Amino acid sequence: EAGVTQSPRYAVLQEGQAVSFWCDPISGHDTLYWYQQPRDQGPQLLVYFRDEAVIDNSQLPSDRFSAVRPKGTNSTLKIQSAKQGDTATYLCASSFYSGGGAEQFFGPGTRLTVL
Amino acid sequence: GQQVQQSPASLVLQEGENAELQCNFSSTATRLQWFYQHPGGRLVSLFYNPSGTKHTGRLTSTTVTNERRSSLHISSSQTTDSGTYFCAIDTNTGKLTFGDGTVLTVKP
Repeated sequence: EAGVTQSPRYAVLQEGQAVSFWCDPISGHDTLYWYQQPRDQGPQLLVYFRDEAVIDNSQLPSDRFSAVRPKGTNSTLKIQSAKQGDTATYLCASSFYSGGGAEQFFGPGTRLTVL
Repeated sequence: GQQVQQSPASLVLQEGENAELQCNFSSTATRLQWFYQHPGGRLVSLFYNPSGTKHTGRLTSTTVTNERRSSLHISSSQTTDSGTYFCAIDTNTGKLTFGDGTVLTVKP
């Protein structure tokens, strides 16, 4: 069974540029998460979906970040106008919701550097 | 305050020594996961352990939910165990809150 896949693996931008990250969750997993992991810190949740619905996007900087999961499978996270403070690794995870919670499985991440 | 506190922040061992990593959390967790992350690598789930004790190979996780603590024990450490270990909890919100991790270095 394939794990969570993400692309690209690396991205380097100038401030003000836009970038998109793509995630393919584990087949059959209905819940998909996007996390931001700054260097030397733990991951911090940005947004998560169950099927195509956004469940929580309270930590997503809505003025510049957006995330979609239109068919309840793959997902795209976009940064409209990147800032140096966005430099971090962006992680995607998926799980199968079973009421009380479920084990999350992570992709390899996209390491973003904003110059 | 921080919901998940891990200790120590860093740990250096000689190969063969044992390690004990601690995780304390401020809310009742409905789910707790321990993860391993090699520098530059993906997060690998070690244990999904809401309560009790679980073993896999040289790793043991013990969670006492009503005392809001969990530990990860690594026996007979190897250089390949080097990396960062994260504890993360879910308080029935559907999302994980991570600690800042313990950086483990095992020297040959």
